[in-house]
Amino acid sequence: DSGVTQTPKHLITATGQRVTLRCSPRSGDLSVYWYQQSLDQGLQFLIQYYNGEERAKGNILERFSAQQFPDLHSELNLSSLELGDSALYFCASSVSASSGNTIYFGEGSWLTVV
Amino acid sequence: GDSVTQMEGPVTLSEEAFLTINCTYTATGYPSLFWYVQYPGEGLQLLLKATKADDKGSNKGFEATYRKETTSFHLEKGSVQVSDSAVYFCALKIQGGSEKLVFGKGTKLTVNP
Repeated sequence: DSGVTQTPKHLITATGQRVTLRCSPRSGDLSVYWYQQSLDQGLQFLIQYYNGEERAKGNILERFSAQQFPDLHSELNLSSLELGDSALYFCASSVSASSGNTIYFGEGSWLTVV
Repeated sequence: GDSVTQMEGPVTLSEEAFLTINCTYTATGYPSLFWYVQYPGEGLQLLLKATKADDKGSNKGFEATYRKETTSFHLEKGSVQVSDSAVYFCALKIQGGSEKLVFGKGTKLTVNP
């Protein structure tokens, strides 16, 4: 158990809909990351937050957004869903923004768009 | 840009066989290197890491040595078990740069009894 908690574990929704994925980082971790794992793209970095502020942005679509709240949990919002958004979405956390720190991953949220 | 290249799988071995999964990288700065493992139906777990040249990361019988001269971080295990069946990901993170991990495409390992 990494200590990173993600909900829901599985989600099935229709095209055009909107979903919210939730992540609670490890206790004490200030930095939260979101990754997407799909069969064709592999593991792709989406976005990072540090102590409530956006710190780095990767291959995140404009239909997707994220935020980190004062209690440090984070949410990833996916809207106008398409079939191609079906993937495993990982949240990860680390103690700080220092590059020497290990990044710990949650078990992921499986999103299926039908 | 930064990238990681892993040997393509799948890899199928018999129990107690020797394992090598090759990983090479291209980095714009000085990277830290990682191996993550994903067991069936589970999330990513950190297996081992190395943060500077010639460092050896090790865990659960797995080893990898950070080779700057060959830009490589090959994963090895002397005697695999059925329970090692999983997907293995090599990754890098640039020190002092963006905090994102850059992953290889993963190598699926199946160990048969």
